[in-house]
Amino acid sequence: DQQVKQNSPSLSVQEGRISILNCDYTNSMFDYFLWYKKYPAEGPTFLISISSIKDKNEDGRFTVFLNKSAKHLSLHIVPSQPGDSAVYFCAAKEEGNQFYFGTGTSLTVIP
Amino acid sequence: NAGVMQNPRHLVRRRGQEARLRCSPMKGHSHVYWYRQLPEEGLKFMVYLQKENIIDESGMPKERFSAEFPKEGPSILRIQQVVRGDSAAYFCASSPFGGGAYEQYFGPGTRLTVT
Repeated sequence: DQQVKQNSPSLSVQEGRISILNCDYTNSMFDYFLWYKKYPAEGPTFLISISSIKDKNEDGRFTVFLNKSAKHLSLHIVPSQPGDSAVYFCAAKEEGNQFYFGTGTSLTVIP
Repeated sequence: NAGVMQNPRHLVRRRGQEARLRCSPMKGHSHVYWYRQLPEEGLKFMVYLQKENIIDESGMPKERFSAEFPKEGPSILRIQQVVRGDSAAYFCASSPFGGGAYEQYFGPGTRLTVT
């Protein structure tokens, strides 16, 4: 039962352009959402988060948007840089301890 | 301030053997989470522990898998009588507080291969 879905397994973007990674969820009780970035042979690294009481959170080149009515989350990276090439996971949780992760989107930024 | 440490990074076991995976959380973190990533899949929650307590093991298979986080020393994920389907990357994460209100910091993972 995949409660968090990332339907695009891969995305290629030109350097300097915007990267938009998408995430959909099914559980309306989720109240906290995060994005992680993962390089090969390394553990995921926290990138940015958003609480369900907000619809946008920005940190430098990274912005997360939350649309609760659509149960949709997106991560915008602008401008994209070659070092951003990695696998991006979205995660969500409801009150409690368990995070639910998506299957990841592999981003390639082309120089 | 060292990050989350996991060892070994790679572990090869024959079917039927035991696998022990270790995780040392970040300094000051008393909450540990274990996840499994199967090929082509996302991270699946397995268990959440505090020192000497299992808080949530709803993601752990009922048999052969166990986890502990003793008062002293690292957290251990133990898999008895491994089977080929146990081959995966196992990640642990730590956080300073529980309840998921804070982001989790991940270790580099242990890649288990069962032959």
